Amino acid sequence: AQSVTQPDIHITVSEGASLELRCNYSYGATPYLFWYVQSPGQGLQLLLKYFSGDTLVQGIKGFEAEFKRSQSSFNLRKPSVHWSDAAEYFCAVVDTGRRALTFGSGTRLQVQP
Amino acid sequence: DTGVSQNPRHKITKRGQNVTFRCDPISEHNRLYWYRQTLGQGPEFLTYFQNEAQLEKSRLLSDRFSAERPKGSFSTLEIQRTEQGDSAMYLCASSRDSFASPLHFGNGTRLTVT
Repeated sequence: AQSVTQPDIHITVSEGASLELRCNYSYGATPYLFWYVQSPGQGLQLLLKYFSGDTLVQGIKGFEAEFKRSQSSFNLRKPSVHWSDAAEYFCAVVDTGRRALTFGSGTRLQVQP
Repeated sequence: DTGVSQNPRHKITKRGQNVTFRCDPISEHNRLYWYRQTLGQGPEFLTYFQNEAQLEKSRLLSDRFSAERPKGSFSTLEIQRTEQGDSAMYLCASSRDSFASPLHFGNGTRLTVT
């Protein structure tokens, strides 16, 4: 069965610092991978997605993620964090046979001034 | 694109009561999903519709839970004989009929069972 692991439950960074959120997946074939963000009181919003091709994908709000097949990872990065980036971030994988997203447990990002 | 709409936003009920939630997806989306999210966890898949057909149900969906999408548009999720363990945020999402299509989520219905 597929699974998604986000090893970091909570991360705190200073505003302007760089950010990397880790995501590892367990899936036999090349998966479809997503990052979503959930701000307090708001619905989940798609940041970016990877299906195939270039392993570095760009998303909204200045985020990017890199697919590394050898490490079964899809880490999310941002060069300079803004206070408005404080939220919960979820990595997700879709099983093309199941057609439903499986989410990781999330990483809560706190941004210090 | 008016977004996915869920009602009510909040529901407080006593244990043993039945509750029903509604989801209105984005109009051109033929896939509709229900997820449940508890504090500190990611959303857990409950069930999925393609048009009016319910194609998959999670093991999490006990026989007290039932979902419908009668005309392939809005959907309802009913929980019978609610238990305190049912307290959670219930999320609805919709998408086009493609693996490449991302899910668009509503803001959820928060259920509290007392």
